[in-house]
Amino acid sequence: NAGVTQTPKFQVLKTGQSMTLQCAQDMNHEYMSWYRQDPGMGLRLIHYSVGAGITDQGEVPNGYNVSRSTTEDFPLRLLSAAPSQTSVYFCASMGRSYGYTFGSGTRLTVV
Amino acid sequence: SQQGEEDPQALSIQEGENATMNCSYKTSINNLQWYRQNSGRGLVHLILIRSNEREKHSGRLRVTLDTSKKSSSLLITASRAADTASYFCATDPQGAGNKLTFGGGTRVLVKP
Repeated sequence: NAGVTQTPKFQVLKTGQSMTLQCAQDMNHEYMSWYRQDPGMGLRLIHYSVGAGITDQGEVPNGYNVSRSTTEDFPLRLLSAAPSQTSVYFCASMGRSYGYTFGSGTRLTVV
Repeated sequence: SQQGEEDPQALSIQEGENATMNCSYKTSINNLQWYRQNSGRGLVHLILIRSNEREKHSGRLRVTLDTSKKSSSLLITASRAADTASYFCATDPQGAGNKLTFGGGTRVLVKP
């Protein structure tokens, strides 16, 4: 099935732990982004990439790293988890026609 | 800070009624997009309107854009229970390279 796949769907971390949220798309989209969504709020852009090897910061990049070694994959790394990073994380991709395709999200809790 | 702000924050209507929600934004844009999010799910792209367009239709959806007022509206006609969701506007600011900025959303409840 074509789309954006995020893993894991749920994760609990202890403060200070690190982890990588995985995102893969099979639509050959150039543009990929990571957003976080806090309860009752809209999405805030963390990092984005306009193609393999090119990444840039969004609105709330602190505490997160990304890399884009292939067109398909765009992992998000939490360097040292903090309770403030408890959120739902969405990966999205966009091809030449406008409109993002979103993954189903990763619900992260940091205790 | 969020570029788009939706109004109202929540809306409750009866099935068959129309639902209207508004979005205001701050800077010049290339386009404005509307998304739907069902509870616990990812966002689904509904419709895009470009800065040189004033109105666009897609099925039961009607979107308007007023760039002079920096505002947009989404109308859902003849609503159904399945339209219960949160609706977000997202702006593609000029010169920002497709960095979509989302508003806080409107929660719509359609009662059967």
